[in-house]
Amino acid sequence: EAGVTQSPTHLIKTRGQQATLRCSPISGHTSVYWYQQALGLGLQFLLWYDEGEERNRGNFPPRFSGRQFPNYSSELNVNALELEDSALYLCASSDGRGSEGYTFGSGTRLTVV
Amino acid sequence: GESVGLHLPTLSVQEGDNSIINCAYSNSASDYFIWYKQESGKGPQFIIDIRSNMDKRQGQRVTVLLNKTVKHLSLQIAATQPGDSAVYFCAENIGNSGYALNFGKGTSLLVTP
Repeated sequence: EAGVTQSPTHLIKTRGQQATLRCSPISGHTSVYWYQQALGLGLQFLLWYDEGEERNRGNFPPRFSGRQFPNYSSELNVNALELEDSALYLCASSDGRGSEGYTFGSGTRLTVV
Repeated sequence: GESVGLHLPTLSVQEGDNSIINCAYSNSASDYFIWYKQESGKGPQFIIDIRSNMDKRQGQRVTVLLNKTVKHLSLQIAATQPGDSAVYFCAENIGNSGYALNFGKGTSLLVTP
């Protein structure tokens, strides 16, 4: 079975631009979670989507947004990029049965210059 | 501030020795904790979890201990192997957010031959 796939693997943007990151969950998983992992830090919860709806978000400004499509794939959009947005963005999907069914992708490395 | 933190940023052990990685949390209402392993270039991988109604749980070569009195948990790895070299994170369920997690900053485990 294919795991959680994220694209692109690397993305370089200029300050002020917009970035779009994509995530395809494991087949059958309806929930998608986004995390930001800045260098040397732990993962910070960004957004949770389930059944096409945003269910909760972490302590991030509104320029971090996203959506979930009918096939449960998801996009994370970051507007008005700042240098501090440079990080590894990880997506996880869940089958709702607990952490053993909670699987992370390998992430998108976003660099803002 | 961060509610989940790790005591040591790095840990070096010899192959075959046992490893102990510690984690403190500050939210006494936290009821679910998970340990993750993250290898370079990959997303976090589930190791073991524990609920607050337990104080110990064992897996294959790993044991998690939870001390709710002092809000501390630890991950013990028996007979540490070179393949165990990675960054280890403890995480707690955020609550009201499905399986969204609050992660600590991580401990880097280096296994030397």
